[in-house]
Amino acid sequence: NAGVTQTPKFRVLKTGQSMTLLCAQDMNHEYMYWYRQDPGMGLRLIHYSVGEGTTAKGEVPDGYNVSRLKKQNFLLGLESAAPSQTSVYFCASSRPGLALYEQYFGPGTRLTVT
Amino acid sequence: GIQVEQSPPDLILQEGANSTLRCNFSDSVNNLQWFHQNPWGQLINLFYIPSGTKQNGRLSATTVATERYSLLYISSSQTTDSGVYFCAVAEGAQKLVFGQGTRLTINP
Repeated sequence: NAGVTQTPKFRVLKTGQSMTLLCAQDMNHEYMYWYRQDPGMGLRLIHYSVGEGTTAKGEVPDGYNVSRLKKQNFLLGLESAAPSQTSVYFCASSRPGLALYEQYFGPGTRLTVT
Repeated sequence: GIQVEQSPPDLILQEGANSTLRCNFSDSVNNLQWFHQNPWGQLINLFYIPSGTKQNGRLSATTVATERYSLLYISSSQTTDSGVYFCAVAEGAQKLVFGQGTRLTINP
């Protein structure tokens, strides 16, 4: 199993440009999450999804949109990128079961907005 | 919301030393995870430990849920143990709240 994968690994955007980050998981997990990590800090939740077709806001949702059209994919969109969105973005997934809610993380996407 | 505090913020040790990292949290949780973020930025799951004690090789963790803290022990440190260690907690399936991390540097 590949686990949680993220595309792309690196990206540089100009202010006002748009882009979509793709997260894919092959563990048949119900729950998926998008976090951002700023320098010297822990991760903060942007949006999450508890199942196909559902999404919800996390701690820092402004400026981002998400979609979960397929169970294995979770997309994070930036409609009009701003320098404040320069960050490392992590996707995670989890499942109900023996280890309820344990989250597994992808390798991250490093985004720079100039 | 839940507050998570980790200590110490920085720790510098010689190879072979033992260390204890602490995580305090402000409310009842049903998910507590320890992660190691290596120098390449990758987050590695170490333990899922909302209560009790677990061991994995040179690493072990103990969570005392009633007293709202968790400890991560690293024995016989190696240079590859360097990086940032995060504790994260959640009340349910949604929001994992991360501490600020402990930056561990192991010198040869």
